[in-house]
Amino acid sequence: QSVLTQPPSASGTPGQRVTISCSGSSSNIGSNTVNWYQQLPGTAPKLLIYSNNQRPSGVPDRFSGSKSGTSASLAISGLQSEDEADYYCAAWDDSLNVSWVFGGGTKLTVL
Amino acid sequence: QVQLVESGGGLVKPGGSLRLSCAASGFTFSDYYMSWIRQAPGKGLEWVSYISSSGSTIYYADSVKGRFTISRDNAKNSLYLQMNSLRAEDTAVYYCARDLWFGVPPKENAFDIWGQGTMVTVSS
Repeated sequence: QSVLTQPPSASGTPGQRVTISCSGSSSNIGSNTVNWYQQLPGTAPKLLIYSNNQRPSGVPDRFSGSKSGTSASLAISGLQSEDEADYYCAAWDDSLNVSWVFGGGTKLTVL
Repeated sequence: QVQLVESGGGLVKPGGSLRLSCAASGFTFSDYYMSWIRQAPGKGLEWVSYISSSGSTIYYADSVKGRFTISRDNAKNSLYLQMNSLRAEDTAVYYCARDLWFGVPPKENAFDIWGQGTMVTVSS
């Protein structure tokens, strides 16, 4: 059971816009920034979004992030076949045992 | 180029020990906080441990506290994870990862560089 809650799957057709949600609590998303990682099949995760809505150099502007209260979202517009991957949200948790916490991951299928 | 390369994984019996290494190159290793993150087969990501640039601040996930020890040798540009009393549930690919910003606390940071991972299998 992951501390952050994501839908296990999402799907869309090429060109569509897809959003993936991430729900947490006041000790993690509610008080700290959210990051998103993309993991293509058989590869290491890659930083996709940091500080809620910032894209590292090289990440297409089709990817965007947002945060409100204790929830965050990743949006992918103009969906492409190469976007088929697992997506994870993450945040620092300030509870008694401080730690990084991840969502369980969302498998995105491009139909 | 900026790179992290893990090694040391393998097959070990329950109760056994293993030491993972992560060799860093292409950046000033001693400036950055580092983490170990694992992924069980077919499962999601789980953060394991975190060490500050000097090694003075260390955090562990509850699931490994008391069994795993993170350390670093800045002179050798290397990060380590000593894993003792291994259990079947520790079976996973172990990644080392670097913080995006140096000198910034974890709550405002992210993992921007990841190694390719090393597989640890705990089985009799």
